[in-house]
Amino acid sequence: GENVEQHPSTLSVQEGDSAVIKCTYSDSASNYFPWYKQELGKRPQLIIDIRSNVGEKKDQRIAVTLNKTAKHFSLHITETQPEDSAVYFCAASRRNNNAGNMLTFGGGTRLMVKP
Amino acid sequence: DTAVSQTPKYLVTQMGNDKSIKCEQNLGHDTMYWYKQDSKKFLKIMFSYNNKELIINETVPNRFSPKSPDKAHLNLHINSLELGDSAVYFCASSQDPVDTQYFGPGTRLTVL
Repeated sequence: GENVEQHPSTLSVQEGDSAVIKCTYSDSASNYFPWYKQELGKRPQLIIDIRSNVGEKKDQRIAVTLNKTAKHFSLHITETQPEDSAVYFCAASRRNNNAGNMLTFGGGTRLMVKP
Repeated sequence: DTAVSQTPKYLVTQMGNDKSIKCEQNLGHDTMYWYKQDSKKFLKIMFSYNNKELIINETVPNRFSPKSPDKAHLNLHINSLELGDSAVYFCASSQDPVDTQYFGPGTRLTVL
């Protein structure tokens, strides 16, 4: 099955700096890569996703890049703000016999943005 | 306007008991899921249910059984609860395979 590794497990940055979180995956058939943000005590919420037919996607201060050859993808947050502090999860999946996409999550990165 | 809802929010019970967690989505999605998040925040898929087809994660003990009375509901029943079952359980749904998943608020299960 799919295996997703995420680094770093914790990341501390100063407000205004950039933050980068990296993930690698093992299944070359994976074709959907979402990123979720989970604030303390809350549910995971999608912040951005990318599909295997593109190499980069941007939404305001957030961008994701995908390298299919190397099987890794990254989340980039620019101009970080204290409200960006949360746990971020990457995930990978592929279609599985019409039974829904079985998302495999990375281990999470706790991002702390210091004011 | 709750999209994916779960009940109860908190569940405290003794070892050996049987309990259920309910999940409902009003998004009209075809696929629903159950995830377990342990104390280290690892999120693991337990089940996926799409158009009456159930996909079971083989690492899930058979004490866990999902039940889907209709497309909008996917409940989780747990028999003979163990200490290691303590975790936050999230329900989720998506419109289509390989599509955005929307999570419920979670149910924090504590087994004493």
